[in-house]
Amino acid sequence: EAGVTQFPSHSVIEKGQTVTLRCDPISGHDNLYWYRRVMGKEIKFLLHFVKESKQDESGMPNNRFLAERTGGTYSTLKVQPAELEDSGVYFCASSQWGLGVNEQYFGPGTRLTVT
Amino acid sequence: QQQVKQSPQSLIVQKGGISIINCAYENTAFDYFPWYQQFPGKGPALLIAIRPDVSEKKEGRFTISFNKSAKQFSLHIMDSQPGDSATYFCAAHYTGNQFYFGTGTSLTVIP
Repeated sequence: EAGVTQFPSHSVIEKGQTVTLRCDPISGHDNLYWYRRVMGKEIKFLLHFVKESKQDESGMPNNRFLAERTGGTYSTLKVQPAELEDSGVYFCASSQWGLGVNEQYFGPGTRLTVT
Repeated sequence: QQQVKQSPQSLIVQKGGISIINCAYENTAFDYFPWYQQFPGKGPALLIAIRPDVSEKKEGRFTISFNKSAKQFSLHIMDSQPGDSATYFCAAHYTGNQFYFGTGTSLTVIP
């Protein structure tokens, strides 16, 4: 079974540009999460999809970030326009839907560098 | 405000030694405490997890010790091996809420 995949693995952009990150969850996983880790800091929650619906987007830093999950399959996270403080590793994770806590499976992350 | 505080930031242990990583939390609503292991170039992977109704959980060489009154939990790696060298994250969660992660501990096991 394929794991969570993310694309690209690394992106270097200039301040003010736009970047779109993509996450393909494990097939059949209804829950999809986005996280970000700034170097040396904690892994921070950004948002949670259940199928195509945003369940919780309380962690989104500001309106420069837009996440979508059309059709309840893959998800994209767009940053427009990018700022220096957006640099970090963006992780996507997915889990099955059900009562209680379900194990989250993380992708390898996208390292975003804004210069 | 950081919900989960993790220490140390880095740890160097001799092969065969015991590695200990500590975490503390404030929110007593948390009811699930996982530890994740991350190797370079990979995403974090669930290693072991505990709920607050038990004080200890052991899986092979990995043990979580949980102190509910002190609101602390720790990961113990017995007989540490070079292959255990990785970054370890503690986390806390309660149903319907997000996961809160610690800042990570970089473990190096010297042969």
